[in-house]
Amino acid sequence: NAGVTQTPKFQVLKTGQSMTLQCAQDMNHEYMSWYRQDPGMGLRLIHYSVGAGITDQGEVPNGYNVSRSTTEDFPLRLLSAAPSQTSVYFCASRGLAVETQYFGPGTRLLVL
Amino acid sequence: AQSVTQPDIHITVSEGASLELRCNYSYGATPYLFWYVQSPGQGLQLLLKYFSGDTLVQGIKGFEAEFKRSQSSFNLRKPSVHWSDAAEYFCAVGAGSAGNQFYFGTGTSLTVIP
Repeated sequence: NAGVTQTPKFQVLKTGQSMTLQCAQDMNHEYMSWYRQDPGMGLRLIHYSVGAGITDQGEVPNGYNVSRSTTEDFPLRLLSAAPSQTSVYFCASRGLAVETQYFGPGTRLLVL
Repeated sequence: AQSVTQPDIHITVSEGASLELRCNYSYGATPYLFWYVQSPGQGLQLLLKYFSGDTLVQGIKGFEAEFKRSQSSFNLRKPSVHWSDAAEYFCAVGAGSAGNQFYFGTGTSLTVIP
């Protein structure tokens, strides 16, 4: 098992550009989520999904869209990047029972 | 609203000394509690978790944590710190239906001096 994979590892964007951060898991987990990590802020939940076709907002959803068309994939879309979205983004997955949440390696995003 | 507080931003300990990292949470029901560790440039690794039962839980790498409902705390401890324990430590609460939403503390950075 590859676990949770994220691409790209690093990305530089200009303000106003759009991009999609990819996340995939091969553990057949129902629950997937996106977090952003900023210095002194810890990890904050952006969006999450409890299964294909079901998504919901977390703590800081503004500026981000998600969709869940398959169990395996949970992409995060930035429609119009802003410097405030410069951060490290982590994807995570787990089974629906509250158990170990597995994290991906992260994507470092710089918005100029 | 749910929240997690880690009051110590940074802690420095000598190798071989004991360690306690503090975590307090705010949640109306019995929480699901976690401690994660993050090495520089890496993702998060689960150290231990508490769902119910025995309030003292053992984790990996010699860590343990104690759930104290009366104090709304879930402090992480290790009797003897190793240089490899230097990292960032995050406390987290699982809330909502089946703990679908996770809330993280702001983290405690641990430095270990020889």
